Amino acid sequence: QLQLQESGPGLVKPSETLSLTCSVSGGSISNDLHYWGWIRRPPGKGLEWIGSVYFSGSMYYSPSLKRRVTISVDRSRTQFSLKLTSVTAADTAVYYCLRGDRYGSATDSWGQGTLVTVSS
Amino acid sequence: QSALTQPASVSGSPGQSITISCTGTSSDVGGYNYVSWYQHHPGKAPKLMIYDVTKRPSGVSDRFSGSKSGNTASLTISGLQAEDEADYSCSSYTSSNTWVFGGGTKLTVL
Repeated sequence: QLQLQESGPGLVKPSETLSLTCSVSGGSISNDLHYWGWIRRPPGKGLEWIGSVYFSGSMYYSPSLKRRVTISVDRSRTQFSLKLTSVTAADTAVYYCLRGDRYGSATDSWGQGTLVTVSS
Repeated sequence: QSALTQPASVSGSPGQSITISCTGTSSDVGGYNYVSWYQHHPGKAPKLMIYDVTKRPSGVSDRFSGSKSGNTASLTISGLQAEDEADYSCSSYTSSNTWVFGGGTKLTVL
């Protein structure tokens, strides 16, 4: 069964770059039947879609985050990553990685989530 | 793109049915049959309850059902149980090849 696990710093200073990695086990990352994505949930708020990437390299980002976000796939390590630059307190959230179905709205695997706090 | 509109909260008694609405535009909810619903308990990953408007993943109770009319999608939970108490969020594909979520609805089982 596919398993996803987020990793990265739990504390990031304002104006710095938030970097998270999602390690994928129990399945292949190298196909375009699925996309690999990131979603976050700020404290007291709803879910927010950050972006997604396909193994082939196509990337799609939330318009509100597009200028600051990069999602990439590391083919050699079976993992994908999220980088969010120039963070502020508003970027404090639980970040989730997930796998979604390219041809529908199903998502079938999620990481457990990791809390990232932006504070000096 | 703006977040989809959901009521902040709904409530119901055990055994009753409730419906949560999710309103978007013709560029998202109304334009595609790619609406999904998630159940979210604190400290846990969101759980997919409905996808492609009406489909239920394996293992999800048939008490959960989805529908759509125009730019509004709905999640109905019948035979409410205490364990259904959670936050529920809708999501839709958009014309920009992106996804958008609703603000979330807190379901309270009285």
